[in-house]
Amino acid sequence: DAGVTQSPTHLIKTRGQQVTLRCSPKSGHDTVSWYQQALGQGPQFIFQYYEEEERQRGNFPDRFSGHQFPNYSSELNVNALLLGDSALYLCASSTPDRGTGELFFGEGSRLTVL
Amino acid sequence: AQSVTQPDIHITVSEGASLELRCNYSYGATPYLFWYVQSPGQGLQLLLKYFSGDTLVQGIKGFEAEFKRSQSSFNLRKPSVHWSDAAEYFCALNNAGNMLTFGGGTRLMVKP
Repeated sequence: DAGVTQSPTHLIKTRGQQVTLRCSPKSGHDTVSWYQQALGQGPQFIFQYYEEEERQRGNFPDRFSGHQFPNYSSELNVNALLLGDSALYLCASSTPDRGTGELFFGEGSRLTVL
Repeated sequence: AQSVTQPDIHITVSEGASLELRCNYSYGATPYLFWYVQSPGQGLQLLLKYFSGDTLVQGIKGFEAEFKRSQSSFNLRKPSVHWSDAAEYFCALNNAGNMLTFGGGTRLMVKP
């Protein structure tokens, strides 16, 4: 049973560019959340997708956008990259069983912005 | 607003010694609480979770945690630490709809 898979694992971009990160959820999961983890900090919630719609959003600017596909996989897009966007981006999947909050995380995509 | 605080940024213990990592939370209702572990360059692995009921919960790798409502705490413990336990540990709170609020993490180092 494959867990949560993310791609790419590492990437380097320059300021002003755009990036797309991809996530496939764990089998049987239909809810995908994205988190940003800056160096030395805890993960910060970006947004969550369920039924191909953004259901919740954290305190991130509109430069951060996402999408969920019918097969439940998801993309995170970041436009007009800033140096401060350098971080580990974690994808997590779950079932819509609200309240339990058990998320399964991928290994992340490490983005470096130069 | 909900928040999670991990007061200790770094902790160093000797192999075989006991361990306690502190976690305090702020939330207006009964929280769902979690401890995750992150090895270098890796994602997060769930160690244990508290939803309700018994306030002492057992997790994987010999870890346990105790929920204390009166102290708004959910401390993680292990009676005997192994070198492989060296990692970053995160306490997290689920406030609504599977959105987790994480603490800043505690980096555990294990001396031989």
